[in-house]
Amino acid sequence: GEDVEQSLFLSVREGDSSVINCTYTDSSSTYLYWYKQEPGAGLQLLTYIFSNMDMKQDQRLTVLLNKKDKHLSLRIADTQTGDSAIYFCAERESNYQLIWGAGTKLIIKP
Amino acid sequence: DAGVTQSPTHLIKTRGQQVTLRCSPKSGHDTVSWYQQALGQGPQFIFQYYEEEERQRGNFPDRFSGHQFPNYSSELNVNALLLGDSALYLCASSLRGQGHGYTFGSGTRLTVV
Repeated sequence: GEDVEQSLFLSVREGDSSVINCTYTDSSSTYLYWYKQEPGAGLQLLTYIFSNMDMKQDQRLTVLLNKKDKHLSLRIADTQTGDSAIYFCAERESNYQLIWGAGTKLIIKP
Repeated sequence: DAGVTQSPTHLIKTRGQQVTLRCSPKSGHDTVSWYQQALGQGPQFIFQYYEEEERQRGNFPDRFSGHQFPNYSSELNVNALLLGDSALYLCASSLRGQGHGYTFGSGTRLTVV
């Protein structure tokens, strides 16, 4: 079946940029998403990108999509302690089902 | 504008029992999807309801069933609970045909003992 892969942990210093990477296998994905999950909470949609776009910027967030390599990244500028969370990459299949990565835990060092 | 509301927030059940989880979608949304998230993992798609019918189903046994009501709210039922059913159950609502509008509830934490 289709698969989404992410590294499990990322540690950055407060104020630096964080880059979280994701690879996927379904070349027919139309939408790709980044969600944030804080401890004990549900999933918060951060941003999404349509598959015919290369880049999307939304305030501190920049999403890059390399469709040829099936690689998606999320860059968070000026990382703050409030950005500590687990970040999930997900792709939408043609049947509207979302396929998720296992999540990347972002750790902020003071 | 209320987002997605799920109830209850926490639940403890005994192996073999049955459980019903409830979800009210975001105002204006007509489609409800259910996901299971085990500890330390990403969510797994259970099924999706639209126009009161199950439209898509993930790789879950028939013990998992659901329903959607005319007001678009939904229930997830799990029969003959197993220890492995312990997880966070998430409901997501969306408007059919729109790819950017999946809104998630805070989930129901189910513990099977």
